[in-house]
Amino acid sequence: DIQLTQSPSFLSASVGDRVTITCRASQGISSYLAWYQQKPGKAPKLLIYAASTLQSGVPSRFSGSGSGTEFTLTISSLQPEDFATYYCQQLNSYRATFGGGTKVEIK
Amino acid sequence: EVQLVESGGGLVQPGRSLRLSCAASGFTFDDYAMHWVRQAPGKGLEWVSGISWNSGSIGYADSVKGRFTISRDNAKNSLYLQMNSLRAEDTALYYCAKTGYSSSWYDYWGQGTLVTVSS
Repeated sequence: DIQLTQSPSFLSASVGDRVTITCRASQGISSYLAWYQQKPGKAPKLLIYAASTLQSGVPSRFSGSGSGTEFTLTISSLQPEDFATYYCQQLNSYRATFGGGTKVEIK
Repeated sequence: EVQLVESGGGLVQPGRSLRLSCAASGFTFDDYAMHWVRQAPGKGLEWVSGISWNSGSIGYADSVKGRFTISRDNAKNSLYLQMNSLRAEDTALYYCAKTGYSSSWYDYWGQGTLVTVSS
């Protein structure tokens, strides 16, 4: 199975900061990677798919990049509503995995 | 508007069974693969199982293989998860998730149904 390793697992940042989260795959997955945001008590929300495509309705301060085994999610200017937990995910041949998550908290 | 509504969760004793359902609306159900994803209290997301649009391809996490069975009824726009031989470690919020057009990500999620396995 393909493993996804996210780093950091915890991040403390201030409003306006540029934030970068990394996701590394145990083997190449081309661009088949998605990013989700989850707030407490809520279902995950799709932010980015195909590594770099912004889901409709998601603010442009979110961006994704990478291919193969290394991927990044960047928030260009952190907003109060962005404090949440972020997950990367891959899905291939009806087997999926998620990264361990990155919790972004207010500094 | 896409809606996914899970039901069937509850408190169950170890070793017993439970069947989860997910009622879908707002999209052409039989055009998309569907999956179950769970989240134990205070933990991260864990993929459980997925099924293709025509039930021809199915996958399970190793942690549930042989105990859980995914199925769908396209005529009823419904997804199911039959869970047998439940264990304490199956305690989680179970989400139903719709895949996007390439079946490689989840563009819509339900609100989840809570399964608690305890004696």
